[in-house]
Amino acid sequence: QVQLVQSGAELKRPGASVSVSCKASGYIFNNHYVHWVRQAPGQRLEYMGGINPDGGRTANAQKFQGRVTMTSDTSSTTVYLELTSLISEDTAVYYCARSFFSAGVSFGFFDLWGQGTLVTVSS
Amino acid sequence: EIVLTQSPGTLSLSPGERATLSCRASQSVSSNFLAWYQQRPGQAPRLLIFGASSRATGIPDRFSGSGSGTDFTLTIRRLEPEDFAVYYCQQYGTSPFTFGPGTKVNIK
Repeated sequence: QVQLVQSGAELKRPGASVSVSCKASGYIFNNHYVHWVRQAPGQRLEYMGGINPDGGRTANAQKFQGRVTMTSDTSSTTVYLELTSLISEDTAVYYCARSFFSAGVSFGFFDLWGQGTLVTVSS
Repeated sequence: EIVLTQSPGTLSLSPGERATLSCRASQSVSSNFLAWYQQRPGQAPRLLIFGASSRATGIPDRFSGSGSGTDFTLTIRRLEPEDFAVYYCQQYGTSPFTFGPGTKVNIK
């Protein structure tokens, strides 16, 4: 079954770090970039960045530069998002999403999404 | 970055009616790389349209997309009960990719 399955909800204190995993299955892992999109309560979707699982090259939105690390493990077909120095405004549902891939090109729109991981930042 | 605005913010319609949703970009979207997603409460977004007008796999033909440059439209020809949701546009022609604020389609 083609799917992305994310890790469970997290509760973190301000200043801490959080890691969210996203396990891919049912498709050729290395063909599709995996991206991270978050959604604060009642807010729009916000793009954070993406990673090429084949080689680990990443591209992050400038807003998150220095706080976000994305990694991939091809042996377990899992992608990870780490966000550091958490503040209350980081409270959101974090989604991983797969790039559409066609004719050797990975496009920047998302045809498969994980179920979402709620990260709550609170003291 | 490219800022997307969507209108209206909320659309109240009855099943069977036609819905017309607008997405406007602050600058031209490269190669009309514009996608639309549907998000139901408590669910992840679902891809409907890419490249401004191409339907994603499995999407019913009552959904159609149009537009170019800075102005794009999503049309739902005859609303079904399952279509009442929030719809987001996204541009992926220029990094960083950005999303609009969404249009909520309510049952009237």
